[in-house]
Amino acid sequence: QSVLTQPPSVSGAPGQRVTISCTGSSSNIGAYYDVHWYQQLPGTTPHLLLYGNGDRPSGVPDRFSGSQSGTSASLAITGLQAEDEADYYCQSYDSSLSGYVFGSGTKVTVL
Amino acid sequence: QVTLKESGPALVKPTQTLTLTCTFSGFSLSTSGMRVNWIRQPPGKALEWLARIDWDDDTFYSTSLKTRLTISKDTSKNQVVLTMTNMDPVDTATYYCARCKVAGGDAFDIWGQGTMVTVSS
Repeated sequence: QSVLTQPPSVSGAPGQRVTISCTGSSSNIGAYYDVHWYQQLPGTTPHLLLYGNGDRPSGVPDRFSGSQSGTSASLAITGLQAEDEADYYCQSYDSSLSGYVFGSGTKVTVL
Repeated sequence: QVTLKESGPALVKPTQTLTLTCTFSGFSLSTSGMRVNWIRQPPGKALEWLARIDWDDDTFYSTSLKTRLTISKDTSKNQVVLTMTNMDPVDTATYYCARCKVAGGDAFDIWGQGTMVTVSS
């Protein structure tokens, strides 16, 4: 049971915009801890997609953006491409658990 | 270039102790602000953070697994070791080590390729 809740799947046609929500609580996202996002392409290792206030590591296209409000965060992908088909995970810190927590993961399908 | 690589047994028996080694390069775990973590992912399931060791030897563990985990480092060898006792089939997973930095908001910026561990008699 993941501490951060994400929808199991989202889908969209090429070129569309999709968003993935990440719902937490007052001991993690609501406590203003940073939320980070990871992309895991099929059969590969997760890699960092967004960190902190929606910053992108070098090489990540600006089609990916993040936001945070209250006890939730969200990842938006604009101009959806076939190569974006992957699992996406949010991650934060939880003060009640004194450790890092991940979301339940969302599979993005490009129709 | 920063790299991390996990190594350890692919198969362990129930009740045995698992020992995994993360060998890294491109940074030093004696540098202020550096941290190395262990994270696992059961087949078809979500990621789960397990443990962290910091540049100053501070260690942190998942609350649910704390009694079974020990993380340590050998700075001279650029290695971090995780031991997990009393292995069970539910511990079957791919185990990753990943770096994070205080300056980077503790995002896991570099991951190892992962090592698959199966627990079975």
